[in-house]
Amino acid sequence: AQSVTQLDSQVPVFEEAPVELRCNYSSSVSVYLFWYVQYPNQGLQLLLKYLSGSTLVKGINGFEAEFNKSQTSFHLRKPSVHISDTAEYFCAVSERGGGNKLTFGTGTQLKVEL
Amino acid sequence: DAGITQSPRHKVTETGTPVTLRCHQTENHRYMYWYRQDPGHGLRLIHYSYGVKDTDKGEVSDGYSVSRSKTEDFLLTLESATSSQTSVYFCAISGTATYNEQFFGPGTRLTVL
Repeated sequence: AQSVTQLDSQVPVFEEAPVELRCNYSSSVSVYLFWYVQYPNQGLQLLLKYLSGSTLVKGINGFEAEFNKSQTSFHLRKPSVHISDTAEYFCAVSERGGGNKLTFGTGTQLKVEL
Repeated sequence: DAGITQSPRHKVTETGTPVTLRCHQTENHRYMYWYRQDPGHGLRLIHYSYGVKDTDKGEVSDGYSVSRSKTEDFLLTLESATSSQTSVYFCAISGTATYNEQFFGPGTRLTVL
C-alpha cells in the first residue's frame, strides 16, 4: 500500500525568502504525485501534479516541485514567498493502475512572516 | 472552480443521532469521494463511488455509509453519530481514474456532542 510522509508539520519563513516543503512517498509501483493547498476555512486546491515526463513540475502561484524517483521524494519549492502563501500544504500520491484513490500526507503548515 | 457544493456547511448534533451530509456536483464526473480531515491525520478516505450505485470502502469507513442514486449526488450517512466523528468532511470529484486529479468541495464542519 502507498503512503506519504511530510516531514515538517510547520514551516515558518520570512516574506521574500525561499521555501521548501518536503514530501516522501512509499509505493511498490509507479505513482502519480500531487501537491494541494488549503487556505483557512476552505477546501483543497490543486497546486501541481506529476504524471510523467519532466521531473520538474511547475504549478500555480510560482510553486514548483521535483520528482526524484531514487529518493522517492516530491519536494515543493518557491523561490520567494508572499504573505498570501500562508496556508496548509498537502502532498498526495496515487498508484498507477491502482484505481482511483489518493493517499494524503498529514500536511505542512506554512506561515509567512513579515 | 469545479461545481461542487456540500450541505450543510456546519452542523452540531448529539451522540446517537443519524446525520446525512450531501455532496452535489454539476460537472457530470464519474468518481466521487468522501474524506474526513483531522489535525495530525491529513485527509483520510471514508468511501468513494465510481458510478451510480457503485461504491466502495476507504481507509476509515467504520460507522459510515454512502449512497449514490444519481450522478450528481453522493450522500454520506452517520447512522449513529459518535464524538469521534467530530471532524471536517470534504467531498471530492474526479473525471478520470487514470490521473486521479480530484477537485474538492468547501467542506462540512460536523460537531457531535
